[in-house]
Amino acid sequence: QQQVKQSPQSLIVQKGGIPIINCAYENTAFDYFPWYQQFPGKGPALLIAIRPDVSEKKEGRFTISFNKSAKQFSLHIMDSQPGDSATYFCAAQGSARQLTFGSGTQLTVLP
Amino acid sequence: GAGVSQTPSNKVTEKGKYVELRCDPISGHTALYWYRQSLGQGPEFLIYFQGTGAADDSGLPNDRFFAVRPEGSVSTLKIQRTERGDSAMYLCASSLFSNTGELFFGEGSRLTVL
Repeated sequence: QQQVKQSPQSLIVQKGGIPIINCAYENTAFDYFPWYQQFPGKGPALLIAIRPDVSEKKEGRFTISFNKSAKQFSLHIMDSQPGDSATYFCAAQGSARQLTFGSGTQLTVLP
Repeated sequence: GAGVSQTPSNKVTEKGKYVELRCDPISGHTALYWYRQSLGQGPEFLIYFQGTGAADDSGLPNDRFFAVRPEGSVSTLKIQRTERGDSAMYLCASSLFSNTGELFFGEGSRLTVL
C-alpha cells in the first residue's frame, strides 16, 4: 500500500530527446506527488510537484502527467540537455506526511 | 546558512561503535525529517519531527536508532552498536510546514561501518 513503483531504472537519450519516467502507486490516500532530482554526492532537490486534482503541470522543460484513475504519473523532460543527467525520484505523500520515494531512474543525456 | 546543513559529511566507524549525525535545518522550518538512502535506492523514511516532538518514528529500523530535536531546531540521529548493514547515506530534510512535500534536503552524512 505504501510503495511507489518507478521505471525505468536507467535511461539514455540524445540531447534534445524527451525522456519519460513513469511511477505507479497503490495508496489512494496519497495527495501530493513531487519529483526530485539528485546529482552525485548531493541531496535530492525538488523539481516539480502535482496534486491529484489536475492532470498535467508544466514548469519550464519539465512536465508531470497524472492519471488518477490508473494511479500513475510520469515526468517528461522536453529538449533534454547533458546537464539534466542525474537520478530522478518520484515520491508520494499522504496523511502520514512522510514522503514515500520510488527507487529512482538514472538519466544520461548524451551530447 | 541558507540550506540544510549536515555533519559530518563522512563518518567511518567500526562495528559496535556509537555514532551521532547532526542536522541543522533551514531557519524557521518546523518540520524535520531523517531518511536513509542505500546505493542505487530511493530515500527511506526514518523519523519525522514537528517542532520538538517526534510525530512519526515508524521508519526507525530497530531500537538501536534514536533521534532527538530538543529545542525544535537542530536534530541528532543516534545509532548505537553499529552494524555493517547500517552503512548508508543518512539524509536530513526540513520544510516550513508539514502539509506539503516541499522538503529541502541536506547533502547527507555518509556512514561506513567496517
